[in-house]
Order: sequence, then C-alpha cells, then structure tokens
Amino acid sequence: SQQGEEDPQALSIQEGENATMNCSYKTSINNLQWYRQNSGRGLVHLILIRSNEREKHSGRLRVTLDTSKKSSSLLITASRAADTASYFCATGNTGNQFYFGTGTSLTVIP
Amino acid sequence: AAGVIQSPRHLIKEKRETATLKCYPIPRHDTVYWYQQGPGQDPQFLISFYEKMQSDKGSIPDRFSAQQFSDYHSELNMSSLELGDSALYFCASSKLGTQGDEQYFGPGTRLTVT
Repeated sequence: SQQGEEDPQALSIQEGENATMNCSYKTSINNLQWYRQNSGRGLVHLILIRSNEREKHSGRLRVTLDTSKKSSSLLITASRAADTASYFCATGNTGNQFYFGTGTSLTVIP
Repeated sequence: AAGVIQSPRHLIKEKRETATLKCYPIPRHDTVYWYQQGPGQDPQFLISFYEKMQSDKGSIPDRFSAQQFSDYHSELNMSSLELGDSALYFCASSKLGTQGDEQYFGPGTRLTVT
C-alpha cells in the first residue's frame, strides 16, 4: 500500500461484541477517513477525523487519531451481522491525494 | 441529496480497445478523484482534478488520461486495454477546504477486459 497499513487483516467476532480495527500511516496528514465496502460493492464513507482532532463519534462508531504515532483506530460497538464488510482507512495530505490502507475484513457471526 | 454519478455501471471491452468512464460530481464540489480497485485489492489513487486542472497524479498508467470539464464532470479515458485493467473504477468528489474534506464516492464502474 502507498500509505496505510491496517490490522488485523481479518477479524471474526460474535454479534454484540465490539470490533476494533487499526490503521497506521507513513506521512503527515490533514485528515483520515474510514470507509466500509461490502463485497464487490462501492465504498461508503463512515467518518472523517481531522489532524487536529483526537477522537470522534458517530452512532456506534468511535474513531481515534494519534498523529504522534501516525495511527488511527475504528471501534464498532455492539456489532451486528450487517456490519460484515471490509473496512478501509484513507489518508488525505496537503495535495489532492487520498491513499487507502489495505483494509480489514470483518465478519460478524450471528 | 444528489450523489456522485458514474456511467456506465458496467462495461465489457476486448484487449486493445478503448474505454471512457464518466463521473458527475456532487453539485458545487470542485474536486474529483479517480481510483482503481482490482479484485481483492485496496483502492489505488489514480488522479485528481481541482477546478478543472489536474492537481495530483498517482499510479495512473500512461495509457490512461483524464480531464475535468467546465461543468466539473470528469472522464477517464483508457486506451490499449489490457486484461489487468479489469477492475472497479471509482470516482469521488469533494469540496476542497484548507485541510481537505470528505470524499463522496460514486457506485463505481466495473470494467471487464476480455
């Protein structure tokens, strides 16, 4: 990947559990975005966190950003079977470029 | 609310043919991005345009070219198609602020090269 690495690459949990995915990046950023993608489908924007923010919430999603460690995490609480998808982080820098991480494949078992 | 529109949604071409993909950004968005996502791969940034000018270039092959028109729609032209060009091509748009802004993605065009 040109920028981000995500871990784990695959995650399998039971419905109702929390899922945490991590993203690390290499260069300085202006913002970081998390996306979801169901198999073979389009990308769905979940949340954007700017470089001067440390934490952001949206519904069952919680995103943190640690610019000193160049890392971000996405927490999905009370997971549902419908959350099964691939999750990508993408970083935006001073140019008009956004680079995606390798993605975490999440499976939520009913 | 209006979303990013891409056409066609599916396209089948033969090797060495050309293809043109179109993207219509959300109204008043000034920036368009193109991405390529191969099977089982993460999306790769190809190219972006801001106010009708190319602003950044990623891993776009020389066989591909793109432009943004006066109405802000963008076209990705792909020539001498190869089997490896089979992928999902996403377009995204944003209203660029000083720190960048949310990207809104279109549904993608699935290109199959046979």
